[in-house]
Amino acid sequence: KAGVTQTPRYLIKTRGQQVTLSCSPISGHRSVSWYQQTPGQGLQFLFEYFSETQRNKGNFPGRFSGRQFSNSRSEMNVSTLELGDSALYLCASSLNAGTDEQYFGPGTRLTVT
Amino acid sequence: DQQVKQNSPSLSVQEGRISILNCDYTNSMFDYFLWYKKYPAEGPTFLISISSIKDKNEDGRFTVFLNKSAKHLSLHIVPSQPGDSAVYFCAASVPSGTYKYIFGTGTRLKVLA
Repeated sequence: KAGVTQTPRYLIKTRGQQVTLSCSPISGHRSVSWYQQTPGQGLQFLFEYFSETQRNKGNFPGRFSGRQFSNSRSEMNVSTLELGDSALYLCASSLNAGTDEQYFGPGTRLTVT
Repeated sequence: DQQVKQNSPSLSVQEGRISILNCDYTNSMFDYFLWYKKYPAEGPTFLISISSIKDKNEDGRFTVFLNKSAKHLSLHIVPSQPGDSAVYFCAASVPSGTYKYIFGTGTRLKVLA
């Protein structure tokens, strides 16, 4: 069974631009969560989607948004990029919302210059 | 405000000895705890979990202990192997239907051969 895939793996953007990251969950998984990982901050929860609906949202500004499609694939968008947005963005899928075990993708490394 | 804390950013242990990774939390409402392991350039992988109704869970070489009164959990790896060298994250689950996961900042374990 294929794992969680994220595209692109690496991305370089400049301040003020916007970016869209993509995540394809494990086949059959309906829940997708997004996390931001920065040095010293660990993994910080961005949001969770289940059945195309946002179930939960972390403490991030409105510049961070996401959506989920009917095939459970999810996208995350960051508008008006700031230098502090440079991070590893991880997507995790699970069978259902609230399921204990999440399977993570390899992440997208975003660098904002 | 870091609700889940891993105060040791790094730990070195000799092969064959015990590795003990610690995690403290502040929210007494957390009811489920997980440990993830992360290798470079890969997403975190689920290792072991424990419910707040238990104080110990064992899976092979990995044991997680939970001390609710102290709001402390630990991961024991016995015996430690060089392949265990990775960053370990503890995470806590928030109940009441939201099921978002709050991660610690991680501990880098290095097992010396």
